[in-house]
Amino acid sequence: GAGVSQSPSNKVTEKGKDVELRCDPISGHTALYWYRQSLGQGLEFLIYFQGNSAPDKSGLPSDRFSAERTGGSVSTLTIQRTQQEDSAVYLCASSSASGGAYNEQFFGPGTRLTVL
Amino acid sequence: KQEVTQIPAALSVPEGENLVLNCSFTDSAIYNLQWFRQDPGKGLTSLLLIQSSQREQTSGRLNASLDKSSGRSTLYIAASQPGDSATYLCAVRWDSNYQLIWGAGTKLIIKP
Repeated sequence: GAGVSQSPSNKVTEKGKDVELRCDPISGHTALYWYRQSLGQGLEFLIYFQGNSAPDKSGLPSDRFSAERTGGSVSTLTIQRTQQEDSAVYLCASSSASGGAYNEQFFGPGTRLTVL
Repeated sequence: KQEVTQIPAALSVPEGENLVLNCSFTDSAIYNLQWFRQDPGKGLTSLLLIQSSQREQTSGRLNASLDKSSGRSTLYIAASQPGDSATYLCAVRWDSNYQLIWGAGTKLIIKP
C-alpha cells in the first residue's frame, strides 16, 4: 500500500514569507508526527496528533509554527514569516496508534525547506 | 534527562566486512527502540523495531539487539555491501513519552 507522502519535496522561499507543508499519512493511521532535521543536527520533535485529541504542540519552536490535521488524515504544517534558521528538512511520520504495542513510525520522504 | 547517543559518528569499512553500530540511551525504562537508515536527500526507512520485552530482532543481513540494563542497542550488519552506505539512526521511545528521542546517527561508508 501507499506510504507516507509529503509535498512539496523542495521549497525555496524568501525570508518573511509564509509556507505550508503537507503530509498524507498512511491510510488508517491515527497518529501523525512532525519532525525537523536541521543540517548537522539530529531530528527534533515538533508536533503530534492522535485521533481527535488535542495535538501536543510542545515541540514547536515558536508561535510562527502551527499545524492542523483535517478529518483525522492530511496534515499541514504552516510556518509564518519564515526565518533563515527555519531552513531544514521537515519530516512527517504516522503510526497505527500512540499507545499499545507495535506503534512503529513510518516516515515520509520529507520536505527540504530553504529560506533565503 | 532522556538522551540517545550514537558512536561513532562516522565509519568506513571495506565491502564484505561484518560491522556493528552502537546506540546507548539513558534511563532503562524504554518502551521500544527503532533503527532507521537515511539516504542522502531522502527520508527515513525503518529497519528494525525492538519492543522493550525483546532482546533482538533480525531482518536479512541485519540484527539488532537490546540490553536495557546497560542502556545499549547494537545494529549488526553482516557481509556489508556498498548499498549499505547511509546514515543509520537510532530512536528511542520511553514509557513516559510517546515521542521518539533520536541519536545523531552514524554515517556508514562501505568501500567497494
